[in-house]
Amino acid sequence: QVQLVQSGAEVKKPGASVKVSCKAFGYTFTSYGVSWVRQAPGQGLEWMGWISAYNGHTDYAQNLQGRVAMTTDPSTNTVYMELRSLRSDDTAIYYCARVGPGVTNNWFDPWGQGTLVTVSS
Amino acid sequence: DIHMTQSPFSLSASVGDRVTITCRASQGIGKSLAWYQQKPGKVPRLLIYDASVLQSGVPSRFSGSGSGTDFTLTITSLQPADVATYYCQKYNSVPWTFGQGTRVEIK
Repeated sequence: QVQLVQSGAEVKKPGASVKVSCKAFGYTFTSYGVSWVRQAPGQGLEWMGWISAYNGHTDYAQNLQGRVAMTTDPSTNTVYMELRSLRSDDTAIYYCARVGPGVTNNWFDPWGQGTLVTVSS
Repeated sequence: DIHMTQSPFSLSASVGDRVTITCRASQGIGKSLAWYQQKPGKVPRLLIYDASVLQSGVPSRFSGSGSGTDFTLTITSLQPADVATYYCQKYNSVPWTFGQGTRVEIK
């Protein structure tokens, strides 16, 4: 069964960093990519970026450039998303989702269960 | 960047009604469009990809159409289980932008 399992909820202070993990099960890890999407309370879905598990290529949303980094660990089929210099408006549920395979099949399926990140002093 | 605009923002319809949600891209995206359903408090779920291909396991009352800049998600007979927010997303090139969402409720 294809599934993505994310790490647990985090509470961080403004200015800190958070690193969320997303572990893949049930498929060939390096044949797909993983995208990250966040959802602030009561708001819509915001695409953050993606990483190819095949070659590590990344693309990030322009508004997060310089603060976000996505990495993979093929030995454990895990993708990581690190967000630095946290602000209160980074409070959101963070989702990972599988992308691909191939360069045109860029829809998201399945999604991880979500990780709540709360930024508060 | 290409902007995705959904309409309406929200709608209320009766059980059994035909419901249509539209998604417009600010530039042509071919058929590189997906629709997702997010029930309250739940994880988003893929319904349709490549504008009109129904994802496995999705009820056949859902359908998608369109290409270029104008797309439609149709629910042929609205059911209570369809109460959710629906999002379109373009994926022809990064950024893979979402529409703002359409909330569907039962009247």
